[in-house]
Amino acid sequence: KAGVTQTPRYLIKTRGQQVTLSCSPISGHRSVSWYQQTPGQGLQFLFEYFSETQRNKGNFPGRFSGRQFSNSRSEMNVSTLELGDSALYLCASSPRLTSYNEQFFGPGTRLTVL
Amino acid sequence: SQQGEEDPQALSIQEGENATMNCSYKTSINNLQWYRQNSGRGLVHLILIRSNEREKHSGRLRVTLDTSKKSSSLLITASRAADTASYFCATDASGSNYKLTFGKGTLLTVNP
Repeated sequence: KAGVTQTPRYLIKTRGQQVTLSCSPISGHRSVSWYQQTPGQGLQFLFEYFSETQRNKGNFPGRFSGRQFSNSRSEMNVSTLELGDSALYLCASSPRLTSYNEQFFGPGTRLTVL
Repeated sequence: SQQGEEDPQALSIQEGENATMNCSYKTSINNLQWYRQNSGRGLVHLILIRSNEREKHSGRLRVTLDTSKKSSSLLITASRAADTASYFCATDASGSNYKLTFGKGTLLTVNP
């Protein structure tokens, strides 16, 4: 099976702009999670989707939003970008066949906000 | 605050030596997982240990879990230069509702 894919891989934006990142999970995986990784804060959970429903959300401002489509692909959007939003954004998928929460990660999107 | 906290933050060893990394956490868990990340890329799942397990092996990896002390350790035996990476523990906390909480990781450098 193909792995989790994320597009774009690199992105440069300026403050105040908005950005949309895309994630395609492993075929058959219905759960998609998003994480933000920065040197200072490490890996932080953004949100998780399953069958188009957001089931959990991390402690991020409302500028961060996401959605999942019927084919399980997911997008996350960040509006009114701030310098502190520069980070590696990681998407992970999981089959959710059991309660065990093994995540399969994509390569990430490196976002730089100038 | 981070659920998992790895120790040490950085570890440098020679090829062939063993590497041990520790993780402490704060709340009850369903399971604890270890991941590896090479140089700012995506994370790779290494091993998952359930809360009712005490030890698990996978190839050169050995993971222990002590729920009474809320701690876990990852042992990599006979390390190789290719093991150079950051290693993260992640907890699936009881009642966490579909999320993993990661520690800040241990940067392992294996010198040839």
